[in-house]
Amino acid sequence: DQQVKQNSPSLSVQEGRISILNCDYTNSMFDYFLWYKKYPAEGPTFLISISSIKDKNEDGRFTVFLNKSAKHLSLHIVPSQPGDSAVYFCAASDRGSRLTFGEGTQLTVNP
Amino acid sequence: DGGITQSPKYLFRKEGQNVTLSCEQNLNHDAMYWYRQDPGQGLRLIYYSQIVNDFQKGDIAEGYSVSREKKESFPLTVTSAQKNPTAFYLCASSILPGAGYGYTFGSGTRLTVV
Repeated sequence: DQQVKQNSPSLSVQEGRISILNCDYTNSMFDYFLWYKKYPAEGPTFLISISSIKDKNEDGRFTVFLNKSAKHLSLHIVPSQPGDSAVYFCAASDRGSRLTFGEGTQLTVNP
Repeated sequence: DGGITQSPKYLFRKEGQNVTLSCEQNLNHDAMYWYRQDPGQGLRLIYYSQIVNDFQKGDIAEGYSVSREKKESFPLTVTSAQKNPTAFYLCASSILPGAGYGYTFGSGTRLTVV
């Protein structure tokens, strides 16, 4: 039972353009969402988060949007840079419970 | 510097052998977690511990065992009962057993069965 799904295994964009990574969830009790970034042979690092009481959170080039009615969140990276090339994981929590992760999306930013 | 240290970075195991992966943190975090990463399957939870001397099974605990004798340490043993142990293993910790503060991850151990 995959409660958090990232349906795109990979995404390729040109440097300077916008990258949009998507995540869907099924558990309506999830109230906190996070994005992690992972380089090969390294552990994931925290990128940005959003609480279910908000619909948008920005941090520099990174913005996360939450659509609760659709049970969908997205991560926008503008402008995309080659150093952004990594695997991005979406994660969700239900009232402080342990995180549930999606499958990950490999982002490649081409110079 | 505070952080999580996983060792070794690469580990080779023969069929039928048990191996233990080390995870140590100096962040004074209460909760610790073990995840397994396989291509296309994301991060799957093996075991987690919210407090010393206590731990719970995650989604894929079969063939694995853990201990939490000290707050700083949460070793994972991959037993011979684990049918497909070749994977990338990640240890994580959090201040409280929840996601409000996020998880801090180690750099991982790549286990290969030869």
